[in-house]
Amino acid sequence: TQLLEQSPQFLSIQEGENLTVYCNSSSVFSSLQWYRQEPGEGPVLLVTVVTGGEVKKLKRLTFQFGDARKDSSLHITAAQPGDTGLYLCAGRLRGSNYKLTFGKGTLLTVNP
Amino acid sequence: GAVVSQHPSWVICKSGTSVKIECRSLDFQATTMFWYRQFPKQSLMLMATSNEGSKATYEQGVEKDKFLINHASLTLSTLTVTSAHPEDSSFYICSASTGTLSTDTQYFGPGTRLTVL
Repeated sequence: TQLLEQSPQFLSIQEGENLTVYCNSSSVFSSLQWYRQEPGEGPVLLVTVVTGGEVKKLKRLTFQFGDARKDSSLHITAAQPGDTGLYLCAGRLRGSNYKLTFGKGTLLTVNP
Repeated sequence: GAVVSQHPSWVICKSGTSVKIECRSLDFQATTMFWYRQFPKQSLMLMATSNEGSKATYEQGVEKDKFLINHASLTLSTLTVTSAHPEDSSFYICSASTGTLSTDTQYFGPGTRLTVL
């Protein structure tokens, strides 16, 4: 069973459009992270959220952690071709340790 | 920022041979390193956690005799895939952390593509 469910799995949009990627679980996480991974490379950390209801912004990217710390979303405004990549959410279970559990990822393609 | 390197970046080997992959933290001391495996179009799956100077902790279903992990220093961990077979072909990624607290960040390496013929 997948602890972290990401949706959608694939997303192909035109430059300038907005999009939202979701990361859901039935478990509570002490923290949740979003990564972006390009083909043949390791994941690069975008943000860490730790407080329920927390919202963080990184230029055109907005990250939100659910109030119950079971879900998170990533919203991209005015997507650009450079945003293309695999977006992964990963969380640390509450009461667990330093292990990261990854979702399956959302493969985003932004067409010029 | 913290940099983690992996070597080699890709390797092709014959079935039955062993392959060693190195993971180095270049500008910080990593008390804990993690090894992940990623199959095409799938997510990262944790294989094992290694702490410097002690035996690695393997995830359920990962054969410790097949995937040998050595964390000999605070800046180097190695993963050896013994008697590799085509089904071991995958993208292997390491990460390094300065600690084991839930707030400690894992810094990921660029990955190693292993192809077993």
